Amino acid sequence: KNQVEQSPQSLIILEGKNCTLQCNYTVSPFSNLRWYKQDTGRGPVSLTIMTFSENTKSNGRYTATLDADTKQSSLHITASQLSDSASYICVVSAPGTASKLTFGTGTRLQVTL
Amino acid sequence: SAVISQKPSRDICQRGTSLTIQCQVDSQVTMMFWYRQQPGQSLTLIATANQGSEATYESGFVIDKFPISRPNLTFSTLTVSNMSPEDSSIYLCSALTGNSYEQYFGPGTRLTVT
Repeated sequence: KNQVEQSPQSLIILEGKNCTLQCNYTVSPFSNLRWYKQDTGRGPVSLTIMTFSENTKSNGRYTATLDADTKQSSLHITASQLSDSASYICVVSAPGTASKLTFGTGTRLQVTL
Repeated sequence: SAVISQKPSRDICQRGTSLTIQCQVDSQVTMMFWYRQQPGQSLTLIATANQGSEATYESGFVIDKFPISRPNLTFSTLTVSNMSPEDSSIYLCSALTGNSYEQYFGPGTRLTVT
């Protein structure tokens, strides 16, 4: 069964600190891996999308890595800001349409003063 | 890119009634989808909304309970029928544009059934 597991479930960090979120998946075959940010009461917003051949992608202070051999990904947030407080969802896609997306349950990040 | 709006943003409904959620995209998209996100859970695909034909439902979801329409390339509706408290959830509309992997989501409709 295709699964996406994220860790930690939740995380509290001080503003300005860095953090790394983890994603392990068993989806096969694999097409691409996405990280989404979901603010409370909002829909998910895409941060990065990586295909099989990419092992790192950045979007501002967000940097995602992908190791397709070990089926692991991470999302690194640099110099966190209060506005980074949100849930971060790892989504893995098998070849095909959206019905082939497998969503993780997310990591809830809280950035505090 | 695509900007997706949903109406209503939230509603509180009584058991046994139905609610129709509207989804509007600001540009023509190739595919539209409806997801459910239950509290503390990940997103679950309900169905793919097909333009001018019956939606394609995922396992565990049926047309009688979740009728879907998509009359054109930018608009879709999801109806939650004969609601029970178990239907309390966030319902999200999503769209794919062209051949991109990028999938856009609406802000969601928070439904509470009492």
